[in-house]
Amino acid sequence: KQEVTQIPAALSVPEGENLVLNCSFTDSAIYNLQWFRQDPGKGLTSLLLIQSSQREQTSGRLNASLDKSSGRSTLYIAASQPGDSATYLCAVYETSYDKVIFGPGTSLSVIP
Amino acid sequence: DTAVSQTPKYLVTQMGNDKSIKCEQNLGHDTMYWYKQDSKKFLKIMFSYNNKELIINETVPNRFSPKSPDKAHLNLHINSLELGDSAVYFCASSQGAILNYGYTFGSGTRLTVV
Repeated sequence: KQEVTQIPAALSVPEGENLVLNCSFTDSAIYNLQWFRQDPGKGLTSLLLIQSSQREQTSGRLNASLDKSSGRSTLYIAASQPGDSATYLCAVYETSYDKVIFGPGTSLSVIP
Repeated sequence: DTAVSQTPKYLVTQMGNDKSIKCEQNLGHDTMYWYKQDSKKFLKIMFSYNNKELIINETVPNRFSPKSPDKAHLNLHINSLELGDSAVYFCASSQGAILNYGYTFGSGTRLTVV
């Protein structure tokens, strides 16, 4: 059974720092992995989608990597800003049961 | 605006009532979903419809019934509401399989049962 975990559960950093969020999954049989941000009281916004054949995707200050064999993905945020404060979730689309499984999220606070 | 829109955004109701949450997408996507986010922030799929046909029905009480009048709409009707139904419900859509394009989410409906 696929399990998705995210460490740390919460992270607080000063503005301007580069940071890495981690996502781990137990079954490497996945189609793709997607990173989302969720702002308090709001919906999810898709950030990056990495197909299983890809190693990384970049969008602006965000870079997501995928190492399928080790069951890990990282989301790198460069030069963090207070506006980056949100909860970041990863989701894997697994092949075994044709389902998308979400991680519990990492709550990020960027301190001005 | 092209989007997935849900109404209402907030819903407070008493136990035992019946309520509906509406979802519409104007993205031309084939597949729509309902997710439940509990108090611990875990997102779990409830239902998935592809071109108005049910393709995923997770272990959800029979009190929850999705209705898809057309492929742009997927409404969620809940009968006999219970305290444990309090959560945020998200509608989402994707073009075909999630394989290539991933999800687009609505902004959520916060349901509070008192």
